[in-house]
Amino acid sequence: GENVEQHPSTLSVQEGDSAVIKCTYSDSASNYFPWYKQELGKGPQLIIDIRSNVGEKKDQRIAVTLNKTAKHFSLHITETQPEDSAVYFCAASIPGGSYIPTFGRGTSLIVHP
Amino acid sequence: DAGVIQSPRHEVTEMGQEVTLRCKPISGHNSLFWYRQTMMRGLELLIYFNNNVPIDDSGMPEDRFSAKMPNASFSTLKIQPSEPRDSAVYFCASSFSSGAYLSTDTQYFGPGTRLTVL
Repeated sequence: GENVEQHPSTLSVQEGDSAVIKCTYSDSASNYFPWYKQELGKGPQLIIDIRSNVGEKKDQRIAVTLNKTAKHFSLHITETQPEDSAVYFCAASIPGGSYIPTFGRGTSLIVHP
Repeated sequence: DAGVIQSPRHEVTEMGQEVTLRCKPISGHNSLFWYRQTMMRGLELLIYFNNNVPIDDSGMPEDRFSAKMPNASFSTLKIQPSEPRDSAVYFCASSFSSGAYLSTDTQYFGPGTRLTVL
């Protein structure tokens, strides 16, 4: 089955800096890669996603890049703000039938004011 | 839409007691997932349903765990008897699965139930 590795497990940045979280996956058949943000006491919420036919996608301060050859994808957050502090999860899924994502272990992002 | 609704939000019980967690998926969604989240193991998929039918329960830890989905708007996860190692946050998520190759089937998570077994 699919295996997703996520790094780093903890990331501490100063407000205004950029943050990058990286994930690798094992199954080349995976074609959908969502990113979730989990705030304290809440469930994970989708913030951005990318399909395998796209190399990069942006939404305001966040962007995701995908390298299918290397089987890795990354989340980039620019101009970080304290409210970006949360746990971020990447996931990968293989097409066909019901969508069952394999999640990374999560990255705890801390943005210091 | 109110999103995925879970109840209770917090549950504290004693070892050996039966625990029932409840979930109401987003209206119109046809897939429902139960996850368990712990510091040690991260986010684990326990079971998922498609059109109210359990498709894969290989993540259910043992026979003490059972899940049902009697209709499209309600699901339960039951633990009987509960043990301290079951303490975790349990999430329910739902999605619309079209089955198409390029379907993204985005999952929407509920707020979770924090279970503490003493």
